[in-house]
Amino acid sequence: AQTVTQSQPEMSVQEAETVTLSCTYDTSENNYYLFWYKQPPSRQMILVIRQEAYKQQNATENRFSVNFQKAAKSFSLKISDSQLGDTAMYFCAFYSNYQLIWGAGTKLIIKP
Amino acid sequence: SQTIHQWPATLVQPVGSPLSLECTVEGTSNPNLYWYRQAAGRGLQLLFYSVGIGQISSEVPQNLSASRPQDRQFILSSKKLLLSDSGFYLCAWQLPNYGYTFGSGTRLTVV
Repeated sequence: AQTVTQSQPEMSVQEAETVTLSCTYDTSENNYYLFWYKQPPSRQMILVIRQEAYKQQNATENRFSVNFQKAAKSFSLKISDSQLGDTAMYFCAFYSNYQLIWGAGTKLIIKP
Repeated sequence: SQTIHQWPATLVQPVGSPLSLECTVEGTSNPNLYWYRQAAGRGLQLLFYSVGIGQISSEVPQNLSASRPQDRQFILSSKKLLLSDSGFYLCAWQLPNYGYTFGSGTRLTVV
């Protein structure tokens, strides 16, 4: 069975610092997609970044980037120059064959 | 542009009452649609998904049901709510091989 593990239930950093959220997954599939979603206090689920497994290049979206290690089945999210508005729950998700498997989430708090 | 609408935003219902949550999508045709539930401080649990009109797949047998009467409409229902049905319900639309776009959610409290 496919699983997604986020080992950090909660993290906090000072504003402007860089923070890395970890995510590992388990699958026997070769073609799949990985996502990071952000859920702020409003509870709206927002796509932060996506990675296609067949692409070796790590995805980047402005201050957000990933470190995708396919062999190690690791997909960490790095947030640079963190801002107060980055405070949210962050979920890692794995997608294959119409199924989106979610991690338990990491609560990220950015302190002023 | 493609958008997803979900309502109501908040709902308080007594135990034993019926439930109907609606989700509609604009700007696309034949989307894959999903209903998720999220308990407080937890991840998302897939309840139902639909790949077309009248096609519903249930992931978790329970007190809820789903229907897709039109291509861009997805409804979550219950005949009699239980206290355990309380939670945050999210409708989502899948962009092929891209990701999911979520509605704004419904906070359901069963009292």
